[in-house]
Amino acid sequence: GAVVSQHPSWVICKSGTSVKIECRSLDFQATTMFWYRQFPKQSLMLMATSNEGSKATYEQGVEKDKFLINHASLTLSTLTVTSAHPEDSSFYICSATPTGGGYGYTFGSGTRLTVV
Amino acid sequence: DAKTTQPPSMDCAEGRAANLPCNHSTISGNEYVYWYRQIHSQGPQYIIHGLKNNETNEMASLIITEDRKSSTLILPHATLRDTAVYYCIVRVEGDKIIFGKGTRLHILP
Repeated sequence: GAVVSQHPSWVICKSGTSVKIECRSLDFQATTMFWYRQFPKQSLMLMATSNEGSKATYEQGVEKDKFLINHASLTLSTLTVTSAHPEDSSFYICSATPTGGGYGYTFGSGTRLTVV
Repeated sequence: DAKTTQPPSMDCAEGRAANLPCNHSTISGNEYVYWYRQIHSQGPQYIIHGLKNNETNEMASLIITEDRKSSTLILPHATLRDTAVYYCIVRVEGDKIIFGKGTRLHILP
């Protein structure tokens, strides 16, 4: 089945630094990937849609200059949290769907970001 | 906004069938109903999806009412490992998946 790999699974960084999270589709190509954020005891919140070869589409209220998304190939999307602050501490999750359709959405295992 | 309504939590005895309801009264004719679950601190896991007909796979069964305004996910023999938050989702705006609050299912030993 389709597998999405997310790396790292957890990261601790100092306030003011930037952190990059990778999302890879291992056995399929994904023109579109999605990034979510989840705070404790809350549901997943869609942050942005990542499109291969073009700019990401951000949801309302998500700062695109703070959450930089790059989707340079059909199997890799990255989310960079720039100038991270403690309030950015959260669980970040990506998902992908195969290029050309298909009904499935496969999710990564998530990245736990803690900013100290 | 999520287009589905689910109870916030449910309990089920281990070994019994868990029946999780979902209301999606505004679903469009070409929208599918998907079910995912999220075990603590993991990414969501696909369970099943359907359009009109009832569906069954190795994990669960999905019962969709004839008017498609509601559905029920059935886990036939719940185990402790089925403890999770279950999300009922309808596809919106093409590819985006918008999560609602889901149902927190507790399996009781």
